[in-house]
Amino acid sequence: QSAVTQPPSASGSPGQSVTISCTGASSDLGGFNHVSWYQYHPGKAPRLIIYEVSERPSGVPDRFSGSKSGNTASLTVSGLQAEDEAEYYCASYVEIYKWVFGGGTKLTVL
Amino acid sequence: EVHLVESGGGLVQPGGSLRLSCAASGFIFSEYSMNWVRQAPGKGLEWISYSRTSPSVVSYADSVKGRFTISRDNAKNSLSLQMNSLRAEDTAVYYCVRDHIYTFDFWGQGIVVTVSS
Repeated sequence: QSAVTQPPSASGSPGQSVTISCTGASSDLGGFNHVSWYQYHPGKAPRLIIYEVSERPSGVPDRFSGSKSGNTASLTVSGLQAEDEAEYYCASYVEIYKWVFGGGTKLTVL
Repeated sequence: EVHLVESGGGLVQPGGSLRLSCAASGFIFSEYSMNWVRQAPGKGLEWISYSRTSPSVVSYADSVKGRFTISRDNAKNSLSLQMNSLRAEDTAVYYCVRDHIYTFDFWGQGIVVTVSS
C-alpha cells in the first residue's frame, strides 16, 4: 500500500514560521489534489485544518496555510503560538475510496 | 452541530470479535460518506475503512481487509464496524469520521479497543 512520509519533529519559537512536509509518489499524493492536514492534541479528536491542498475550513486561523509541489505537500504555520504545539498529520487520497496518512510530525513551540 | 459518538469498545482476546457503533447527529447522515480511522498506542493515524452514502460501496485498508466489515443504517443515522479475528496490533483508539470532498471533516472522540489475553 502507498506510503506518505513526514518528518517526525519540527520546532520554532513563538512568532516564527515553520513548514512541515508530506512526501508521497506520483501515483498517490502527486496524482491527486485531495491532500488534507489535521491537528492532533493527545486526548482530543483530530481537527481538520487544511483540505484540498490549500483550503481552510471556517474557524481555522489564516496562520495555517497549505501548498503542494509535485509529490510533496506542505503545511506552513506562521506566527507560531503556544497552542500550535501539537501533532500534525497529512492525509492523501491514493486510489478509489482509499486514503493514507503520513506518520505525523510533532511540532514543538520553543 | 455535528456529533459523532462511538461505542462498543473494550477488551477482547486475540482471535475474538467486537462490534463498534457510531451514532451520528447534527447533519443529514444519508448524504455523507463515512470512515473509520484508528490510532495505535505510540503510532500515527491509520485510515481503515470507508462507506459511501450507498451502503453497498465500501473499501478497506489492506491491514483489515477480510477481517473487518463496515456497514451503515441511514434510517438510524448509524455507522458500524464489525471486527473479527482481532490481533494485538488492532489495539487502538478507533474514530468515526465524516467524509466531505475526500476530506475527514468531523471526528468523533474515539473509542478504545484493546486486544490482549
